[in-house]
Amino acid sequence: DTAVSQTPKYLVTQMGNDKSIKCEQNLGHDTMYWYKQDSKKFLKIMFSYNNKELIINETVPNRFSPKSPDKAHLNLHINSLELGDSAVYFCASSPLPASGPDYEQYFGPGTRLTVT
Amino acid sequence: AQSVSQHNHHVILSEAASLELGCNYSYGGTVNLFWYVQYPGQHLQLLLKYFSGDPLVKGIKGFEAEFIKSKFSFNLRKPSVQWSDTAEYFCAVNLREYGNKLVFGAGTILRVKS
Repeated sequence: DTAVSQTPKYLVTQMGNDKSIKCEQNLGHDTMYWYKQDSKKFLKIMFSYNNKELIINETVPNRFSPKSPDKAHLNLHINSLELGDSAVYFCASSPLPASGPDYEQYFGPGTRLTVT
Repeated sequence: AQSVSQHNHHVILSEAASLELGCNYSYGGTVNLFWYVQYPGQHLQLLLKYFSGDPLVKGIKGFEAEFIKSKFSFNLRKPSVQWSDTAEYFCAVNLREYGNKLVFGAGTILRVKS
């Protein structure tokens, strides 16, 4: 069973296009996240949602818009794609409470986005 | 600003050598600490985590890490590495007061020569 899944796995598109990446988790978790891993493998959080409510919104261009239709899904829509958006985007989910020993973030397989 | 520093970006070891990867963080509040591993072409997997209690935590595949609060450190160790440990290792700090924001270090690429 795939715990956190993302589609597509690879996405190649041209500058200026609009694209979406989908994420689904079947772990029953309340919180979901999007991370960006750049070409130097540096991982940085972009957004997190808890029960469809936006919790974390890091300094990300407003061309990026997360959408959470329900707590099992967190999609990432990107408008007017730029070359610098090329990266691997990881979705993750976690249970609550975060203070418990069972807390960890479970990561999806990543979506490699290439903007040409 | 909160940050996580990993001291070595590339480490090359021979099989059976001992491993220690350094990790320091800068944050004075409540933290939970993690080490994740990313094998080539795969997604991030949890190696081990620290929440409270014994500062020496044991994870999967023979890895362990020690939390030293006074040094803001959480170094990863393994007594004897194997070729299959070749991967990238990420230290991360969970900032509970910031909505459980997970801040990652820049990663350490470990290559184990057989």
